[in-house]
Amino acid sequence: DTAVSQTPKYLVTQMGNDKSIKCEQNLGHDTMYWYKQDSKKFLKIMFSYNNKELIINETVPNRFSPKSPDKAHLNLHINSLELGDSAVYFCASSQGGTSNEKLFFGSGTQLSVL
Amino acid sequence: AQTVTQSQPEMSVQEAETVTLSCTYDTSESDYYLFWYKQPPSRQMILVIRQEAYKQQNATENRFSVNFQKAAKSFSLKISDSQLGDAAMYFCALMNRDDKIIFGKGTRLHILP
Repeated sequence: DTAVSQTPKYLVTQMGNDKSIKCEQNLGHDTMYWYKQDSKKFLKIMFSYNNKELIINETVPNRFSPKSPDKAHLNLHINSLELGDSAVYFCASSQGGTSNEKLFFGSGTQLSVL
Repeated sequence: AQTVTQSQPEMSVQEAETVTLSCTYDTSESDYYLFWYKQPPSRQMILVIRQEAYKQQNATENRFSVNFQKAAKSFSLKISDSQLGDAAMYFCALMNRDDKIIFGKGTRLHILP
């Protein structure tokens, strides 16, 4: 009964491939997010969706495309993977989209691009 | 199972005073890292301080310090001389060797002028 679940947990792939990371939340939240953790352990926000609509889109290469089929899912699709895409990606959700809402995080997906 | 618990959903402190945010965790690993992240309204996650479990000395970073009690699995954050800019959500986090991070539910800190 995990609240925010990401799949896969580990993803190893070759440069140039296209891959997706899936995220699902069963909390009934309206807002979902994707974060990228860099080598210094900073977590940078990439995207935020509220009720399937994009509300935050930070400076992220357009090779990254989020897809939200419904408000319980926010998948991250990455085209033409590059070495620099190697990182841990975290999905999160909150009830609303305001800064007062607490975030619930998934356990992360470690992406390794070879 | 690994868990991180922040028992204080919200806290308030007077400007210039000191405040301590609590965090307890559970892990079967002997080697791990602990972090405190600050989340301002922008929703970015800013790393405030980190502690390696093998180090006995408590980490400090300017006005931020931790009280790391490994046996008790406690990792509290102390903010000295609180400033208005410290108002944010604070997340405690645990990371094992596999680089996966587990976050607590967060503590919202209010700074009273």
